[in-house]
Amino acid sequence: AQSVTQLDSHVSVSEGTPVLLRCNYSSSYSPSLFWYVQHPNKGLQLLLKYTSAATLVKGINGFEAEFKKSETSFHLTKPSAHMSDAAEYFCVVSEGSTSGTYKYIFGTGTRLKVLA
Amino acid sequence: EPEVTQTPSHQVTQMGQEVILRCVPISNHLYFYWYRQILGQKVEFLVSFYNNEISEKSEIFDDQFSVERPDGSNFTLKIRSTKLEDSAMYFCASSERRGEQFFGPGTRLTVL
Repeated sequence: AQSVTQLDSHVSVSEGTPVLLRCNYSSSYSPSLFWYVQHPNKGLQLLLKYTSAATLVKGINGFEAEFKKSETSFHLTKPSAHMSDAAEYFCVVSEGSTSGTYKYIFGTGTRLKVLA
Repeated sequence: EPEVTQTPSHQVTQMGQEVILRCVPISNHLYFYWYRQILGQKVEFLVSFYNNEISEKSEIFDDQFSVERPDGSNFTLKIRSTKLEDSAMYFCASSERRGEQFFGPGTRLTVL
């Protein structure tokens, strides 16, 4: 079975400084990986996705992530944090089944706090 | 831009009552999912649905749960006899086959 591990439950950065949210995955084959963001009392919004094309993936709002197979990592970065980035971030791996559907396996989430 | 919608946004019910959570997936999607997120915990897969039948279900999805696509647009999750521990945010999602899943805004279920 596939899994994802988000190494930090909470991350605090100052506005204007870089953001790094770490994610490691476990998969027996080339995975599809995603980052989703959840703002307070809101649903899940896709930030970016990796599906075996370019290893550096650019997403919305200036976020990007790099797929590193040798390190089994898919860390999320942003050069300069904005107050509006404060939210919960989920790393997700897509796992297929014999039925042909693909369920998402979520990490435990990282709560990003941005300090003024 | 097409989106997944869910109703109601918040449902309060008494323990032992039946609840039905409703979702309208994106119209050309064929795969449908329910996930739940207990407060403070991670999002967990409940069930996937394709071609009018359950494709996969988790251990959480016991006999108290059922899903249905009663018409061409709605996708529902029914909990027959709610328990306190069913209190959670329930997310519906839809997708094309291996593509990105699009999530609805969620229904917060509170069981008293």
